[in-house]
Amino acid sequence: AQKITQTQPGMFVQEKEAVTLDCTYDTSDQSYGLFWYKQPSSGEMIFLIYQGSYDEQNATEGRYSLNFQKARKSANLVISASQLGDSAMYFCAMREGNNDYKLSFGAGTTVTVRA
Amino acid sequence: DSGVTQTPKHLITATGQRVTLRCSPRSGDLSVYWYQQSLDQGLQFLIQYYNGEERAKGNILERFSAQQFPDLHSELNLSSLELGDSALYFCASSVGRVTEAFFGQGTRLTVV
Repeated sequence: AQKITQTQPGMFVQEKEAVTLDCTYDTSDQSYGLFWYKQPSSGEMIFLIYQGSYDEQNATEGRYSLNFQKARKSANLVISASQLGDSAMYFCAMREGNNDYKLSFGAGTTVTVRA
Repeated sequence: DSGVTQTPKHLITATGQRVTLRCSPRSGDLSVYWYQQSLDQGLQFLIQYYNGEERAKGNILERFSAQQFPDLHSELNLSSLELGDSALYFCASSVGRVTEAFFGQGTRLTVV
């Protein structure tokens, strides 16, 4: 079964607008971590933001925020004030349990920012 | 710059050959993880080493092997290469249970 589901294969967003990328996850662990990564066309994986399962506040990092809804098992990424440089593939990932750093990744969402 | 260094960045080789991919983790990180990103399989965890010992295995083929050396750098060996092994191979490192995760820039392997 898929552990991470990203249902939006591709999205277009106007520059300076906000965009929400959906991510749902499946785990029976009580302790887990959720991550978002950005992969531009150059290929590198850039860490954006992390949310722990016990964190009560939604994580924020600059223009990135994670909308964590534990009961719904969703961890949506919100990018505010989109910039042309935000055009990339975005991956949601999960680490289960307290040990190891093995991540399960979703299929990704391609974001294209229009001027 | 994530602090994780992978070499080479690009590699083109023929079917049946063997290649070695190298990863230098961030300073102080004891764990190294290898991932494969292909068009059909997406991002898949291959294997993890912690302080020189194998810690976890994922979807790694028997033709593939890895090791972590005393200086903590790691090598991923891919042998009897097939066209389907063409992919982007990432290394990541961590000190333990962390709330951040940093990847290297990847090695793009093309098997022809």
